[in-house]
Amino acid sequence: AQKITQTQPGMFVQEKEAVTLDCTYDTSDQSYGLFWYKQPSSGEMIFLIYQGSYDEQNATEGRYSLNFQKARKSANLVISASQLGDSAMYFCAMRAASGSARQLTFGSGTQLTVLP
Amino acid sequence: DAGVTQSPTHLIKTRGQQVTLRCSPISGHKSVSWYQQVLGQGPQFIFQYYEKEERGRGNFPDRFSARQFPNYSSELNVNALLLGDSALYLCASSFVGGQDRTGELFFGEGSRLTVL
Repeated sequence: AQKITQTQPGMFVQEKEAVTLDCTYDTSDQSYGLFWYKQPSSGEMIFLIYQGSYDEQNATEGRYSLNFQKARKSANLVISASQLGDSAMYFCAMRAASGSARQLTFGSGTQLTVLP
Repeated sequence: DAGVTQSPTHLIKTRGQQVTLRCSPISGHKSVSWYQQVLGQGPQFIFQYYEKEERGRGNFPDRFSARQFPNYSSELNVNALLLGDSALYLCASSFVGGQDRTGELFFGEGSRLTVL
């Protein structure tokens, strides 16, 4: 079974500062993918970044980067130069890489508030 | 291009009633998944359909059922509603193919169900 743990229910960050959202995972699979999604108050889940378990480089997408430490089973999201529009719920998720399966296991989320 | 569309956006039902939620995937996506998100928690996987066949089922009772139509749209049905079924129901579609490295899910804004 797969498990995602997000230990920060809420985080505050000053506008233009960087912030790290923590995520640890547990799986017995050798091949898997890790995702971060943003959920604003509208409810839609917005894909931010992906890291494959065999990727040698940490993933980056604009202001988002994923600090992947495989031995520690952690996949922290780093948001640089925070903006007011970054205030939202952030979810870490995992998927086992297996054919057409598209089942994600989500963590409980971190509510990020960006302060002006 | 239109994203994933879900209907209805909000609905109120009473205990014991039945509900049908609808989802239209992004054009070209043949996989549709359903997730339940209870307030304050991360989404939980309910079903995945690919090419009109069920490819995965989460830990939900038989009161939950779904199907996928020839045009790849999908319906989620919940019978004998309980108060605990109150949640945001998210539909997600994905492209399954050789160039789909991440298996990224594209989510709709959800159907918010309240059971009284």
